[in-house]
Amino acid sequence: QVHLVQSGPEVKKPGSSMKVSCEVSGGISNIYAINWVRQAPGRGLEWMGRFIPNGEIVNSGQKFRGRVSITADTFSNTVYMELRRLTFDDTAMYYCARVLSPKNFYFDYWGQGALITVSS
Amino acid sequence: EVVLTQSPGTLSLSPGAKATLSCRASQKVLSVYLVWYQQKPGQAPRLLIHGTSNRAAGIPDRFSGSGSGTDFTLTIASLEPEDFAVYYCHQYGSPFPFGQGTRLEI
Repeated sequence: QVHLVQSGPEVKKPGSSMKVSCEVSGGISNIYAINWVRQAPGRGLEWMGRFIPNGEIVNSGQKFRGRVSITADTFSNTVYMELRRLTFDDTAMYYCARVLSPKNFYFDYWGQGALITVSS
Repeated sequence: EVVLTQSPGTLSLSPGAKATLSCRASQKVLSVYLVWYQQKPGQAPRLLIHGTSNRAAGIPDRFSGSGSGTDFTLTIASLEPEDFAVYYCHQYGSPFPFGQGTRLEI
């Protein structure tokens, strides 16, 4: 059974940074990519970026470039997404989602989400 | 950049009815890259359909997908109570846009 287990909820101040983790059962060396998708309260889904373990490639959406970092620790099978210079608009549920192979054009398993609240 | 527009925004139907959800793209989308997800309150999205018409593992056959080019459809043949949720279409491929969602309510 595949599990993506994310870190817990956090409250952050405006201007600070957040870092969400996503532990991948079965390891990250055997998958193609881990994507990050966020969802503001009552809103739709928004792709933020992805980490491709083979080559440690990071792609991010233009909206987040310069503000997001995605890294991984292969020993703990965990992918991290850091978002800097937080504003109230960054309050959202943050999901990680897996793409198993380069021939799979979909996110097949998702983490449970991590709620980040930006509040003064 | 592709923009996906879903319609209707909200669809009100009864159990047993047939649901037809639309996803229109601003540019042609290759069929292999069109995906549908289901999201229930308080849950992460769940993969329903990939490659326009391929059901994910464990998805009942009352769910079907079709379409090509810029127009795609998710059909639920006979609604079960557990099908009332929000449905998103998605294009796999940078910048990985999602539609705004269709809420299917009783």
